[in-house]
Amino acid sequence: EPEVTQTPSHQVTQMGQEVILRCVPISNHLYFYWYRQILGQKVEFLVSFYNNEISEKSEIFDDQFSVERPDGSNFTLKIRSTKLEDSAMYFCASSRSRGDNEKLFFGSGTQLSVL
Amino acid sequence: SQKIEQNSEALNIQEGKTATLTCNYTNYSPAYLQWYRQDPGRGPVFLLLIRENEKEKRKERLKVTFDTTLKQSLFHITASQPADSATYLCALGGYTGGFKTIFGAGTRLFVKA
Repeated sequence: EPEVTQTPSHQVTQMGQEVILRCVPISNHLYFYWYRQILGQKVEFLVSFYNNEISEKSEIFDDQFSVERPDGSNFTLKIRSTKLEDSAMYFCASSRSRGDNEKLFFGSGTQLSVL
Repeated sequence: SQKIEQNSEALNIQEGKTATLTCNYTNYSPAYLQWYRQDPGRGPVFLLLIRENEKEKRKERLKVTFDTTLKQSLFHITASQPADSATYLCALGGYTGGFKTIFGAGTRLFVKA
């Protein structure tokens, strides 16, 4: 079964550094998402992306965050200057459609630790 | 603000029994509701989707009900097995929240052999 692939599985960085989290969505999917989950808390929506542009974003997704689809397969999340509170598991997801047919496929996540 | 509430306390049941998990929501008019399973350290896995005009959906040992008047969904696992032990997440999407899917905090289920 096709799956969403995320790299790296773990990322440790110093506060203030830039990080790029990478994802390869399922190949025939058109909608891409980033979510995050702080330890012990709920899965929180960050951003959705379609047709090479952001379609929705949450309050969490401020100017420090950006997303990009640099080629036909990768989807990246960049955090420009990491803060301690950015430490979380970051999940990439993709779906073939949206609306009431939306079924999200999630990757295994990147555990980001900001020191 | 939009809120999705799931039982924060873990649910402990005996193998073979039916597990029932509850999802309530406020300040939201979802077009659909979904249930996902999440194992520790892993991403959520889609289980079932039910639309606003549907009352009940079944898939193998799983059953979901959706009451838009009560703003509640019930998720049932019949003949539960220890392998069903996981966290189950309720998720809503459409209309009020745009077309993004937002998640509840989940309910942890433990099935004892």
